[in-house]
Amino acid sequence: DAGVIQSPRHEVTEMGQEVTLRCKPISGHDYLFWYRQTMMRGLELLIYFNNNVPIDDSGMPEDRFSAKMPNASFSTLKIQPSEPRDSAVYFCASSLHHGVAEQYFGPGTRLTVT
Amino acid sequence: AQKVTQAQTEISVVEKEDVTLDCVYETRDTTYYLFWYKQPPSGELVFLIRRNSFDEQNEISGRYSWNFQKSTSSFNFTITASQVVDSAVYFCAHTGANSKLTFGKGITLSVRP
Repeated sequence: DAGVIQSPRHEVTEMGQEVTLRCKPISGHDYLFWYRQTMMRGLELLIYFNNNVPIDDSGMPEDRFSAKMPNASFSTLKIQPSEPRDSAVYFCASSLHHGVAEQYFGPGTRLTVT
Repeated sequence: AQKVTQAQTEISVVEKEDVTLDCVYETRDTTYYLFWYKQPPSGELVFLIRRNSFDEQNEISGRYSWNFQKSTSSFNFTITASQVVDSAVYFCAHTGANSKLTFGKGITLSVRP
C-alpha cells in the first residue's frame, strides 16, 4: 500500500495568497482527517470526513479555511487568504473506522507564509 | 472534556537504558481508546498501539511494552534496551464518545550512543 499521500511536501507563500493542500487517503478507508501541528498548540484536529461528507469542522480556525472531499480518494484543505500565523505542518490521516481504529498519517505539508 | 497529559517534555538516556514515557488521561467516556504514536525526526507520525478501555492487559511488542491502568488513568510506554533509532517525539492520544483524537503535547526522547 502507498499509504496516505500528501502534496506538496513544502509550500512557501506570501501573505494574502491562496494555498491548497492535497491528500489521497489509503484506499478503502472511509474516514479522512486534517490536522495542524505547531510548536505552540501541538497537534490539532481541524476537520474530518466520513464517506466524503464533512462530519465535524469545529476545529477549523476561521472562515479563511475550507476543506472538501469530492470523492473517496481525494481531499483538499484551502486557506484563502493565507496569513503568517497559518505557518505549520498540516497532516492528513485516514482510518477504516473512526474512533475505534488507528489513523494512518501522511508525511505532512510544511507551510510557511511570509 | 478529554485531556491527555504527558508531563515529561524531554528525556535523554544512553543507549541500552530502559525508559518509560508517562501518559495520564482524563475522560468522562465509559468506552474509549488510547493510542501511542511516534514522530521521528523525519516528521511523519507512526502508529504504535491502540488499547480500548475494556482491555487492561499489558502488551509487549519486541522492546516496546505498554501498561494501561484505569485506576490511575494512565497508559505508560516503556522502551527496553533503548537504541539511537528510538530517538523521536512520542505522542499519547485518546478518543471517546465524540470520536475525536486528542493528543498530548508529546515527549522528546533522545537516545545517546
